[in-house]
Amino acid sequence: AQSVTQLDSHVSVSEGTPVLLRCNYSSSYSPSLFWYVQHPNKGLQLLLKYTSAATLVKGINGFEAEFKKSETSFHLTKPSAHMSDAAEYFCVVKTGGYQKVTFGIGTKLQVIP
Amino acid sequence: EAQVTQNPRYLITVTGKKLTVTCSQNMNHEYMSWYRQDPGLGLRQIYYSMNVEVTDKGDVPEGYKVSRKEKRNFPLILESPSPNQTSLYFCASSFTGRQQYFGPGTRLTVT
Repeated sequence: AQSVTQLDSHVSVSEGTPVLLRCNYSSSYSPSLFWYVQHPNKGLQLLLKYTSAATLVKGINGFEAEFKKSETSFHLTKPSAHMSDAAEYFCVVKTGGYQKVTFGIGTKLQVIP
Repeated sequence: EAQVTQNPRYLITVTGKKLTVTCSQNMNHEYMSWYRQDPGLGLRQIYYSMNVEVTDKGDVPEGYKVSRKEKRNFPLILESPSPNQTSLYFCASSFTGRQQYFGPGTRLTVT
């Protein structure tokens, strides 16, 4: 079995300040972890993915995430928020050899000018 | 251009009238999947397929059917739609174990 918990349904930051979106997962096997972004009325775009290589993963648009097995976490960070980062972000887990995909409920990021 | 296409993009129908939402990909992906997105619930997997003629249930399969007769197509069938199936539906495809590519979404309203 696998599950994903996104710890905040809404996060609000000021433009130019750091972003932290939190994600915890559970998985019986070695997981693949992803972060996707969805802008209003748009489809989903992959930000980054972890698939058992480096634990610090760099993605597009300055985002990165660190896989911490001991904490079962995969938090998404960005040093400086831009207005264009305002969107909904989904943490996703997929367990190797087990093809179900589980999404978190999403975190809406608001960026205040 | 590599893409996942869905049709229709918008659909309003009535309870009990069978409908099919088509999904097609041109990337030769083995894995395809359907999700529904509802406010506060994120995306939930309905069905997935690991290859032609191989399908399996996701987390919310009740009321839906799928088929995978060709590698590129993965239609979602609602035999008798009900209002609780009003949702935004996404199709996705990938090579096994790799990132998924999502279609643009189909907004379905069942009255």
